Amino acid sequence: NAGVTQTPKFQVLKTGQSMTLQCAQDMNHEYMSWYRQDPGMGLRLIHYSVGAGITDQGEVPNGYNVSRSTTEDFPLRLLSAAPSQTSVYFCASSAGIWADLYEQYFGPGTRLTVT
Amino acid sequence: DAKTTQPNSMESNEEEPVHLPCNHSTISGTDYIHWYRQLPSQGPEYVIHGLTSNVNNRMASLAIAEDRKSSTLILHRATLRDAAVYYCILRDRGGGSNYKLTFGKGTLLTVNP
Repeated sequence: NAGVTQTPKFQVLKTGQSMTLQCAQDMNHEYMSWYRQDPGMGLRLIHYSVGAGITDQGEVPNGYNVSRSTTEDFPLRLLSAAPSQTSVYFCASSAGIWADLYEQYFGPGTRLTVT
Repeated sequence: DAKTTQPNSMESNEEEPVHLPCNHSTISGTDYIHWYRQLPSQGPEYVIHGLTSNVNNRMASLAIAEDRKSSTLILHRATLRDAAVYYCILRDRGGGSNYKLTFGKGTLLTVNP
């Protein structure tokens, strides 16, 4: 299994541009999520999905859109990039939600810079 | 969400045991204690979790205080590859919004050769 994959690894955008960060997993996991990590801070949840066709907002959803048309893919769209969205973005997946049973698997991250 | 408190940083020598503490005085009866770590320039990875009893796996051991207000992640023989930020996270057993992981700043572990 490749696990959780993310593309691209690095991206530079100009303010106002839009782009999509790709995330895919091959473990048939129902639950997927996007986090961002700013320097010196822990990860913060942006959006998550509990299955194909179902998404919900996390702590910091403004400026981002998601959709989940398949179990495998969970793309994150930046609608109009702003310098405040400069960050490292991590995608994660999990087979289930019960804390006693399921851990989360993270991708390698996408480092985004908005100038 | 119940909060956790960890030291900002710790140092260890290679091949020595490391004890990483975590305080969680407001933990509820249904909170599981999870540990993740993040190696430099990588995504977080799961280490171990437990509820009341001490737990062991191939990566580490988790010692949980009897009153559950604190826990300790034990790396039995630190290697250079264990240098990472270690996060102690509480997760309620229930589903829904409790699915998310709430990351604090964690403990930066430095391993000296």
